[in-house]
Amino acid sequence: KAGVTQTPRYLIKTRGQQVTLSCSPISGHRSVSWYQQTPGQGLQFLFEYFSETQRNKGNFPGRFSGRQFSNSRSEMNVSTLELGDSALYLCASSLSDSIAEAFFGQGTRLTVV
Amino acid sequence: AQSVSQHNHHVILSEAASLELGCNYSYGGTVNLFWYVQYPGQHLQLLLKYFSGDPLVKGIKGFEAELIKSKFSFNLRKPSVQWSDTAEYFCAVKSTSGTYKYIFGTGTRLKVLA
Repeated sequence: KAGVTQTPRYLIKTRGQQVTLSCSPISGHRSVSWYQQTPGQGLQFLFEYFSETQRNKGNFPGRFSGRQFSNSRSEMNVSTLELGDSALYLCASSLSDSIAEAFFGQGTRLTVV
Repeated sequence: AQSVSQHNHHVILSEAASLELGCNYSYGGTVNLFWYVQYPGQHLQLLLKYFSGDPLVKGIKGFEAELIKSKFSFNLRKPSVQWSDTAEYFCAVKSTSGTYKYIFGTGTRLKVLA
């Protein structure tokens, strides 16, 4: 079956702009999570959606937001970009229960200049 | 607060050497434990996972991990590494109730010299 698909793979934006990243989960997976990966910080949890509802949110400013659609596809938006937002943004999908493993996409590399 | 610590940030080994990567977690309840690997240019992949039962878990590619609950540790081991094991390794925990988010460690970069 197809894996988690993230688009675009690479983005270059300037400070102050906004950006939208997209994630298509594995078919049948209703939980989608987003993570920010930076060198030395590992993966930082952004938020998790299930059935179009945000179930969990990490410690990121309100400039970071997301949503999930009825087909489980998810988008993440970052407004008023800052240089420190440059990172690899990873999306993961899983079945809804707590023992389910997460399957990750290849990520979107965002560079803010 | 929940946290995961990986004390080894960079590890360099020669082929055939044994590997042990440390992972300690802090969490007040019952957790599931995972090790993920990220090969250069590739997405994160699951190496192994612990849910319950035998604390010694075997994963893919000859990796294993042992949960020691009294020490809150879940160290990853491999008896003999190969050049192809060069990658970044992440330990993660997930609560068995309430939240459904993973808490990841900061990762360990392993370089295996041929």
